[in-house]
Amino acid sequence: DGGITQSPKYLFRKEGQNVTLSCEQNLNHDAMYWYRQDPGQGLRLIYYSQIVNDFQKGDIAEGYSVSREKKESFPLTVTSAQKNPTAFYLCATRGRGSYEQYFGPGTRLTVT
Amino acid sequence: EDQVTQSPEALRLQEGESSSLNCSYTVSGLRGLFWYRQDPGKGPEFLFTLYSAGEEKEKERLKATLTKKESFLHITAPKPEDSATYLCAINAGNMLTFGGGTRLMVKP
Repeated sequence: DGGITQSPKYLFRKEGQNVTLSCEQNLNHDAMYWYRQDPGQGLRLIYYSQIVNDFQKGDIAEGYSVSREKKESFPLTVTSAQKNPTAFYLCATRGRGSYEQYFGPGTRLTVT
Repeated sequence: EDQVTQSPEALRLQEGESSSLNCSYTVSGLRGLFWYRQDPGKGPEFLFTLYSAGEEKEKERLKATLTKKESFLHITAPKPEDSATYLCAINAGNMLTFGGGTRLMVKP
């Protein structure tokens, strides 16, 4: 079964705890992205990576960290420094030579 | 700065009532305009890419068109299953800039 998987679908954490969201793909895509979506709003870019061991900040990177040790995986850590972490988090990938991005099913994070 | 504005924010239609969604954009060097469909609680589903003014793409009841300043997503004779949020995005580099979306509700 090909595609992009994000786990878990729902995640609950207490304030002050770091939490890591998983994104795995078997599409052999080079580029991977993390977005955040708040109710009634569009998607905002957190971080992206175009190649293994390299990544760049997006528009709202503060309070987040990423790693790209393998082509297939791009985990996102939401740190305790992120002031409003409760949101819907989406991972996307893009193949070489194309501009379309394809999205995973998302992880809804709730921090209380 | 690249910007994308979608209108209306919400649209209610009766089944069979055709309409259009608008996506206005400003960008230096468009490398593609993208339409996505997003159902509640799910990731966006890719629909279309348009690259140049005058280009059109169709899929079932949906047709996307592009000018130098805006794109339209035309919905012909919509059905209740077309209810979703439709997102527009532009690419001017390695990143997509998204609009706020149009929430479409089609009543039977």
